[in-house]
Amino acid sequence: EAGVTQSPTHLIKTRGQQATLRCSPISGHTSVYWYQQALGLGLQFLLWYDEGEERNRGNFPPRFSGRQFPNYSSELNVNALELEDSALYLCASSRSDRGYTFGSGTRLTVV
Amino acid sequence: QKEVEQNSGPLSVPEGAIASLNCTYSDRGSQSFFWYRQYSGKSPELIMSIYSNGDKEDGRFTAQLNKASQYVSLLIRDSQPSDSATYLCAVINAGNNRKLIWGLGTSLAVNP
Repeated sequence: EAGVTQSPTHLIKTRGQQATLRCSPISGHTSVYWYQQALGLGLQFLLWYDEGEERNRGNFPPRFSGRQFPNYSSELNVNALELEDSALYLCASSRSDRGYTFGSGTRLTVV
Repeated sequence: QKEVEQNSGPLSVPEGAIASLNCTYSDRGSQSFFWYRQYSGKSPELIMSIYSNGDKEDGRFTAQLNKASQYVSLLIRDSQPSDSATYLCAVINAGNNRKLIWGLGTSLAVNP
């Protein structure tokens, strides 16, 4: 079974630009979750998508947005990048209440 | 009160010892409990899940759940330096069967 795949692995952007991060869940998983983890800090919940709908949103500004496609893959968009957006962005998928499986993450660096 | 609490550590144990990691949660109706391991700069990896009171063993890992006292623990027997990582406790609250509520993690250092 293929795991959760995220792309790109690394992304370098300049302040003010837009970043798009992509995630493909495990086959059969309908829920996708996005998290931000700044260096040395805990997981910060960003977004939860299920069956194409946004189910829950964390305490982040509107310039963080995303969507889920009919094949359950997802993308996270970050507009007007700020230096403090530099972090590891993690995607996870699940099918039920059996926990999440995480991808390897996208390391976003804003310069 | 935070929904899921863990001691941040660092917890330091000698190689071969038992490491004991604890987690408490506030929602008495919580149904599902998970332990993840996260190495620095890497993504969290699910190592144990537990759904009913008692102990669940998997290799060197034992998860213990006590719903009456609202705590879940993780024991690591014969600790190895490769076990050095941050251990995250996560809980699914009652009425929300998908979203994990995370603790901030306990840093474990196993000393050779």
